[in-house]
Amino acid sequence: DAKTTQPPSMDCAEGRAANLPCNHSTISGNEYVYWYRQIHSQGPQYIIHGLKNNETNEMASLIITEDRKSSTLILPHATLRDTAVYYCIVLRDYAGKSTFGDGTTLTVKP
Amino acid sequence: EAQVTQNPRYLITVTGKKLTVTCSQNMNHEYMSWYRQDPGLGLRQIYYSMNVEVTDKGDVPEGYKVSRKEKRNFPLILESPSPNQTSLYFCASSSRGEPQHFGDGTRLSIL
Repeated sequence: DAKTTQPPSMDCAEGRAANLPCNHSTISGNEYVYWYRQIHSQGPQYIIHGLKNNETNEMASLIITEDRKSSTLILPHATLRDTAVYYCIVLRDYAGKSTFGDGTTLTVKP
Repeated sequence: EAQVTQNPRYLITVTGKKLTVTCSQNMNHEYMSWYRQDPGLGLRQIYYSMNVEVTDKGDVPEGYKVSRKEKRNFPLILESPSPNQTSLYFCASSSRGEPQHFGDGTRLSIL
């Protein structure tokens, strides 16, 4: 599975959009981009995933570049409860070996 | 309620004393996996299983064993625990093309 690169930390003002980038330059054609987040030491929580097209759900939007080598997770109106570590991973549709990396610590400030 | 259940949630034990962390899921998922997480780091995969009797190594399998005799259960076995296996452990499950569901974690301390 492809490896990902994320900035170690980011800040965002409450109520503003949080844009979290992820590079996955070695992604293969059959690999999906998944985003999870982890609050404190709880189990990671699924946010969104996509293959080629941009995706949106009630939590976030996922923008994948045309060459699929990078993506951005967008939290449209960040709240204090969105403070967490965000992980971007790439996986085949039938998850096997799975590498999470160290993620991005997002801090939402009042 | 769909869930992944790990037991125990917390355990303090001593070096060399065999232990098993159980993981059970009630969603009929084919895929299950174990991860460990050390302070300030991301999750590292220990072992995964694509289905009953099918297991494979992740990135950090040394010192661990797993078995998948039933679809719902995927226990993690430490035959001879050592202090460097002190960590936070997560079990996860999923079906094809779906995101992984994670348990609440097991915090192991090995003295």
